[in-house]
Amino acid sequence: EAQVTQNPRYLITVTGKKLTVTCSQNMNHEYMSWYRQDPGLGLRQIYYSMNVEVTDKGDVPEGYKVSRKEKRNFPLILESPSPNQTSLYFCATSPPGANVLTFGAGSRLTVL
Amino acid sequence: GDSVTQMEGPVTLSEEAFLTINCTYTATGYPSLFWYVQYPGEGLQLLLKATKADDKGSNKGFEATYRKETTSFHLEKGSVQVSDSAVYFCALRGQAGTALIFGKGTTLSVSS
Repeated sequence: EAQVTQNPRYLITVTGKKLTVTCSQNMNHEYMSWYRQDPGLGLRQIYYSMNVEVTDKGDVPEGYKVSRKEKRNFPLILESPSPNQTSLYFCATSPPGANVLTFGAGSRLTVL
Repeated sequence: GDSVTQMEGPVTLSEEAFLTINCTYTATGYPSLFWYVQYPGEGLQLLLKATKADDKGSNKGFEATYRKETTSFHLEKGSVQVSDSAVYFCALRGQAGTALIFGKGTTLSVSS
């Protein structure tokens, strides 16, 4: 079954404590992306990756890092989380040249 | 830049009522247009899409027509069910773009 798996699904942490949200896909897709969802703002893209070792900033990259060392994984790193990064995060993937994204189930992060 | 505007919610309907959720867009050229649906506690799923003017996307009784002249892609369903309760997102992908650009989402609540 085609899947995008995110972990953790829920996390409460404190300001400044580094954390990583993992994302893994089993579809062998080259394109992967991270979005955050906030009430009244919809989904906004944080970072995306067109292929291994190729990453680019989206609309709201500040405070985040990503890496793409292998095709299936695209972790989102918060080096020093702050309360304004409290949000619902989604990882997504699509095959090359395709318009349709497959999303993970989401990771709800709370930063106190 | 490209943008999507969709009607504010929440939309509250009784079962079997007619549904319209308005979506308009701003983009250069010929974007691809999408409706995604997010059921409670889940990630987004593609509901339907249209890739060129006058195309009609349809799925699960939902329809939307790509109207270039009015830059619109309104979502309609003739008879909603309780199980249609969800958040609906209109989105576009520009001709040269890599990111999906989302509207802010419209919450639909259907009661029996």
